[in-house]
Amino acid sequence: DAKTTQPPSMDCAEGRAANLPCNHSTISGNEYVYWYRQIHSQGPQYIIHGLKNNETNEMASLIITEDRKSSTLILPHATLRDTAVYYCIVDMDSNYQLIWGAGTKLIIKP
Amino acid sequence: GAVVSQHPSRVICKSGTSVKIECRSLDFQATTMFWYRQFPKQSLMLMATSNEGSKATYEQGVEKDKFLINHASLTLSTLTVTSAHPEDSSFYICSARSFGRGAFFGQGTRLTVV
Repeated sequence: DAKTTQPPSMDCAEGRAANLPCNHSTISGNEYVYWYRQIHSQGPQYIIHGLKNNETNEMASLIITEDRKSSTLILPHATLRDTAVYYCIVDMDSNYQLIWGAGTKLIIKP
Repeated sequence: GAVVSQHPSRVICKSGTSVKIECRSLDFQATTMFWYRQFPKQSLMLMATSNEGSKATYEQGVEKDKFLINHASLTLSTLTVTSAHPEDSSFYICSARSFGRGAFFGQGTRLTVV
């Protein structure tokens, strides 16, 4: 079973910041938080991951709470092409398969 | 650029024929690759774990004689759907993990069996 819970869907206006929450209250100390997204009829795309500290890359920012029980993915300036299903996954940096939940369907509206 | 390449992206085949899907890791060696299947509006479902140089590990309910997996090198895994039937029509995705960088996915293969 997935170790994360996410809202099933969210809307965001184009050009605004999209903030996607994820709860992972049972995360263990050596598990990372990964974010992926899947645009219709494509393979999932890696976005970002982190362990304890907040992370930022060219796609997004990841904010992890101090107790690590939740995190937020931030797309700073959402565009229509960011419409996708976003998956939050917790896992060790290992060679095992990731456990996929239902994700959040993010719809960016013009 | 993409670090995992999957081919073909779309294939239509006749019922009873076999289809081979290739998955290549382009910039890292993958001792383990994963094959997923995805139905419309559903999340990814793991079918099998492909291990380089050894037999694949199949998830419960996945027929190993129908979905043949070969992982002959550190950069290539193949999934062959044998004697395909219309109910095998689906979106198939491969994945490989790279330590420190997470998992990367192929572009997916849309299989339609007619």
